[in-house]
Amino acid sequence: EIVLTQSPGTLSLSPGERATLSCRASQSISSIYLAWYQQKPGQAPRLLIYGASSRATGIPDRFSGSGSGTDFTLTISRLEPEDFAVYYCQQYGVSPRTFGQGTKVEIK
Amino acid sequence: QVQLVQSGAEVKKPGASVKVSCKPSGYSFTDYYLHWVRQAPGQGLEWMGWINPDSDGTKYAQQFQGRVTMTRDTSITTAYMELSGLTSDDTAVYYCARATYSSYHDYWGQGTLVTVSS
Repeated sequence: EIVLTQSPGTLSLSPGERATLSCRASQSISSIYLAWYQQKPGQAPRLLIYGASSRATGIPDRFSGSGSGTDFTLTISRLEPEDFAVYYCQQYGVSPRTFGQGTKVEIK
Repeated sequence: QVQLVQSGAEVKKPGASVKVSCKPSGYSFTDYYLHWVRQAPGQGLEWMGWINPDSDGTKYAQQFQGRVTMTRDTSITTAYMELSGLTSDDTAVYYCARATYSSYHDYWGQGTLVTVSS
């Protein structure tokens, strides 16, 4: 099983700041099989990024993804109030599909 | 528009079984696999398995083997996830989410809260 480790666990930032979230895999994965999701309290996860760097439909361009091999990054260039949430990475290339434990982006 | 609508909240006693439904709309039922993901209170996301509505094929995460059964009824375009031998550790929100075979989950159901309590 591929273990995904996200860091930091919590990121305390102010609106307008840049957020950088990390996802590290226990073994190399093809970048086409790495996704990022956003989840707000009481809601289902929402797809943000797939294939490590492709934005899903309707996702603002302040969200960007990068990385390859075992190290992947989600960047939010300028935090908007609606971006404070929990973010999960997921690999879907190898069964079982696995998620990281999540990074909470909270208002400082 | 694509929607996945799940059944309502359930309260079950330890040792019981629960069956959650997921009814997609806005696309052809057999074109996408349906996955089940659960989330315990305050915890992260845990993938449980998938069903291929076209072939009825299934694949389950090892930790749920023998306890989970995923089925579908093509006549009413609905998928089901049944979990047996419930314990308090199974208290969680259960989501269905669609994906093609090796693809991401682009649409999710609203979630079904299953509470296991004596």
